[in-house]
Amino acid sequence: DTEVTQTPKHLVMGMTNKKSLKCEQHMGHRAMYWYKQKAKKPPELMFVYSYEKLSINESVPSRFSPECPNSSLLNLHLHALQPEDSALYLCASSQAGQDGQPQHFGDGTRLSIL
Amino acid sequence: DAKTTQPPSMDCAEGRAANLPCNHSTISGNEYVYWYRQIHSQGPQYIIHGLKNNETNEMASLIITEDRKSSTLILPHATLRDTAVYYCIVRVGDSWGKLQFGAGTQVVVTP
Repeated sequence: DTEVTQTPKHLVMGMTNKKSLKCEQHMGHRAMYWYKQKAKKPPELMFVYSYEKLSINESVPSRFSPECPNSSLLNLHLHALQPEDSALYLCASSQAGQDGQPQHFGDGTRLSIL
Repeated sequence: DAKTTQPPSMDCAEGRAANLPCNHSTISGNEYVYWYRQIHSQGPQYIIHGLKNNETNEMASLIITEDRKSSTLILPHATLRDTAVYYCIVRVGDSWGKLQFGAGTQVVVTP
């Protein structure tokens, strides 16, 4: 069982729709991440939030808009997506500190764009 | 972050130990070795990590060579549920950086 919860588990949307992916953790972690994973490929980082502030954006298109309303929640707002954006979207979190604390992942939202 | 090299696939018999190698010859002194696995249709699961010393937890053991240029993940008694893609990742131990996943090793545990 994962301690990072992602909803919904599956999402099908049209290219003109607006939807949001949600991620929640209650481990007291102050860093949260969005990764994207295409079929048969490894995960790739999209965004990093540290202490609720965006610290890394891996040149992600503006049709993906992250939001961190508080230390436990992370959202990914989706608008005008393309069929190539169909993928598994993974959320992760980690503790603060410099001692190599690992990231912990949720089971993802599988997104399909029609 | 240093790159890693893993074999693309491995088979293992159920009940036997699975030894997964990883080469990271360009690792820096402040970089940790992390192991994750991803079972089909699930998110990556953290297994273990280490800096210099060997590490053991309830899931696995991590053996890091003295020169730190390679490591081995050991699953002591493989079960069918250990079938997954295993990723070896090397990175600095800061909290905000990305995990650079490679292709990993597809491990298939057979009865």
